Amino acid sequence: NAGVTQTPKFRVLKTGQSMTLLCAQDMNHEYMYWYRQDPGMGLRLIHYSVGEGTTAKGEVPDGYNVSRLKKQNFLLGLESAAPSQTSVYFCASSSTLGYGYTFGSGTRLTVV
Amino acid sequence: GQQVMQIPQYQHVQEGEDFTTYCNSSTTLSNIQWYKQRPGGHPVFLIQLVKSGEVKKQKRLTFQFGEAKKNSSLHITATQTTDVGTYFCAGRGNYQLIWGAGTKLIIKP
Repeated sequence: NAGVTQTPKFRVLKTGQSMTLLCAQDMNHEYMYWYRQDPGMGLRLIHYSVGEGTTAKGEVPDGYNVSRLKKQNFLLGLESAAPSQTSVYFCASSSTLGYGYTFGSGTRLTVV
Repeated sequence: GQQVMQIPQYQHVQEGEDFTTYCNSSTTLSNIQWYKQRPGGHPVFLIQLVKSGEVKKQKRLTFQFGEAKKNSSLHITATQTTDVGTYFCAGRGNYQLIWGAGTKLIIKP
């Protein structure tokens, strides 16, 4: 039972490049979330999903897009990366909205 | 909007001393959760408090939820090196978790 798996673990992008971060969970959780974590700023919600085929904006959605075509996968896309998107990105899932999140190990993204 | 303030931002302690972090919400919370993030790691769920005035213990960790369900605290007795990390509170507002900024526990050498 792997829990929540994020790929890749590290990535360096040039400004303007695009990429997709993949999150996969094997717990049959309905709810999935994407957060970014910056030093001293805690966790900020980017987008979330309350079920397959549904997504919603969180606190800091600009510059990101998401898709949840399958229940177990939640993809985060950066269409045109900017240095301000340098951060650690965490995916999480839960069986109940707003309760007991299981986090992935994170993706450290640097945009140069 | 809803906010959860967490203090202090850092706490330096000698091994064996106690540690406490506090969270205060601008609004009433339906529950509050606590997470621990080890250096270089990811947040790990510790516990959830739901009832007004609730107190829960996990070995040396004591969690409290205020009577008005707007504040919470985590107290660690006799800290050990394994306690090092950042402790986050997260309150459930209308439909989402509202995260505190975290308190980093640092053990003095």
